[in-house]
This record gives sequence, C-alpha cells and structure tokens, in this order.
Amino acid sequence: DTEVTQTPKHLVMGMTNKKSLKCEQHMGHRAMYWYKQKAKKPPELMFVYSYEKLSINESVPSRFSPECPNSSLLNLHLHALQPEDSALYLCASSAGTRPISDEQFFGPGTRLTVL
Amino acid sequence: QQQVKQSPQSLIVQKGGISIINCAYENTAFDYFPWYQQFPGKGPALLIAIRPDVSEKKEGRFTISFNKSAKQFSLHIMDSQPGDSATYFCAAPGGKLIFGQGTELSVKP
Repeated sequence: DTEVTQTPKHLVMGMTNKKSLKCEQHMGHRAMYWYKQKAKKPPELMFVYSYEKLSINESVPSRFSPECPNSSLLNLHLHALQPEDSALYLCASSAGTRPISDEQFFGPGTRLTVL
Repeated sequence: QQQVKQSPQSLIVQKGGISIINCAYENTAFDYFPWYQQFPGKGPALLIAIRPDVSEKKEGRFTISFNKSAKQFSLHIMDSQPGDSATYFCAAPGGKLIFGQGTELSVKP
C-alpha cells in the first residue's frame, strides 16, 4: 500500500468554526508533513513530524494546530481561520531515515474554503 | 533563503514533441533532486528523481539530466501526450524540500 489518504476531500467552514483535517498512511513511514498550496503555486511546508515528534514548525499561525496520535495518523486542527487560509492542504509521508531528503508521498489533499 | 529556480512558467507542446523544463539550484550540498507531477485538484506525485552521482536517469518517456558543475537539472518528456498536461515541480532538499515555482505544461493534440 503506497497511498496517503486524506479526509475530508472538501471542507467549507466559517471563521468561528473548529474543524480537523485527517491524514493516514500505512507504509510504515516515520515522517509526516503538512503543506499548504495556493492556486498555481508550489506547496509550502507547514509542519514536519519525525517519529511522532514535531520537528519543524514553519512559523505557522496558532490557529493551525497539528497532532500526531501515532505513526500512521496526522491531524490538523483548525480554529478561527481567515478567508486567506482557503487553500489545498496536503499531507505527505516519507520513510523518515532522512526526513527532508527521503522520497515524499503526497495525499490528494483537502480543499478548504473559509467563508 | 535557498532557492530552486524553474523555467519556463508555462509550456505548450504539440503531441509527439519533446517537453523540456529546467531548474537551477544554489546549494552544492543538495543531494536529491525529485520532479513532481500534479494534476488539477490532486496532490503532487513523484515522477522521477536523481542523485548527483549520476548525470542522467531515464524512466520510460521521462528523463532527468543533471549538470553538477552548472548546478542545473532538467526534465525531458519525450513523445509528449495530452495526458502529460499537468503542472511539474522540481525540488531539492535544503533543510526542507524546496520547490521550484512550477511549470504548467499543455500538450495539444
């Protein structure tokens, strides 16, 4: 199984809502990532978890809160978002032996719209 | 801020033609150069990757050429097909995976 799954596929939320994005992989990977991608732009790294510990936080606003319950799951909790946070949110995973240089496998993304 | 510079921004190729996308990097310590293919509404998928100990890697119609002295690497798509129409990103690892700005490829039938 070489797949990274993400739920939901689409999410519309108001600025006062609390929601969560979920990501799962069963490849035995030990590094997992959250990226944000705006239209016609490359993915921007938000967070990296390595062996279930947060290893990189790219100065992301606190309204985004990541969680790694176990080595297969990655969540992104959302609260009080702004309309400019609307984007495609991508999860990725890699083997974890070299978190940045390993081959990263991306999920299909969650299309988030903040009203 | 380390960068990977990708060109062209967009590319139109006739079916059967060769598509060429170029990337230039700054840091000679980079040791892994992947190319990702992304279709609209989908996540990026690893297409092909090269490490700097080889100058060329070929997988089917896709070839990466690597020029270490010039700090450049390029993607060649031979016999381009309409199904290859997508956005292509080069990348390099520099503390985090650094992506080029992307090339939107359109292959006309």
